[in-house]
Amino acid sequence: GAVVSQHPSRVICKSGTSVKIECRSLDFQATTMFWYRQFPKQSLMLMATSNEGSKATYEQGVEKDKFLINHASLTLSTLTVTSAHPEDSSFYICSASWGTGIRAEAFFGQGTRLTVV
Amino acid sequence: AQKITQTQPGMFVQEKEAVTLDCTYDTSDPSYGLFWYKQPSSGEMIFLIYQGSYDQQNATEGRYSLNFQKARKSANLVISASQLGDSAMYFCAMREDSSYKLIFGSGTRLLVRP
Repeated sequence: GAVVSQHPSRVICKSGTSVKIECRSLDFQATTMFWYRQFPKQSLMLMATSNEGSKATYEQGVEKDKFLINHASLTLSTLTVTSAHPEDSSFYICSASWGTGIRAEAFFGQGTRLTVV
Repeated sequence: AQKITQTQPGMFVQEKEAVTLDCTYDTSDPSYGLFWYKQPSSGEMIFLIYQGSYDQQNATEGRYSLNFQKARKSANLVISASQLGDSAMYFCAMREDSSYKLIFGSGTRLLVRP
């Protein structure tokens, strides 16, 4: 299957600093990339959807100034957690799709475990 | 309103036996797709099986099959001949034709006993 690479896999940062997470589709051009957040033992909650060259669409309740998403190319999307606080500690996972329609498969990155101390 | 419901937070199954993981969904869109993913402790999401709302037959992929009951809006995952490596979280997800979003249920943790 297609490969989506997410980096870093783990990051520890100090409160108040910003952290950037990269999501790359390695062998296909992703028309759409999605960012999810997962708390321990819970489901994946969609944070935002990004399309190449346009502004991300955020889900209700997600602060767009807190979680900056940039989709600079068809193979790269980044999520920047700005002024991180301990409550931002979580598992963040991206997925990338090509094509449209209900059958468009979502390929997931390995996830990033963020710990804010 | 919850669109995807997985009522079993945890399940046990004996190795080599079959197990059914429940999933019900809610949508008014006549066209939709249902997905099942496996998430091991490492965190990656592994695609298992897909069922389209207009598919006439239940989907099967190796040891995985989907018991799709459209009228009941259920899409249960059946894993046959369970293996120790099947121990993981399992998520049911849906994408409606009117939306590009993949929405997940709360998941079921499966533990396979030797």
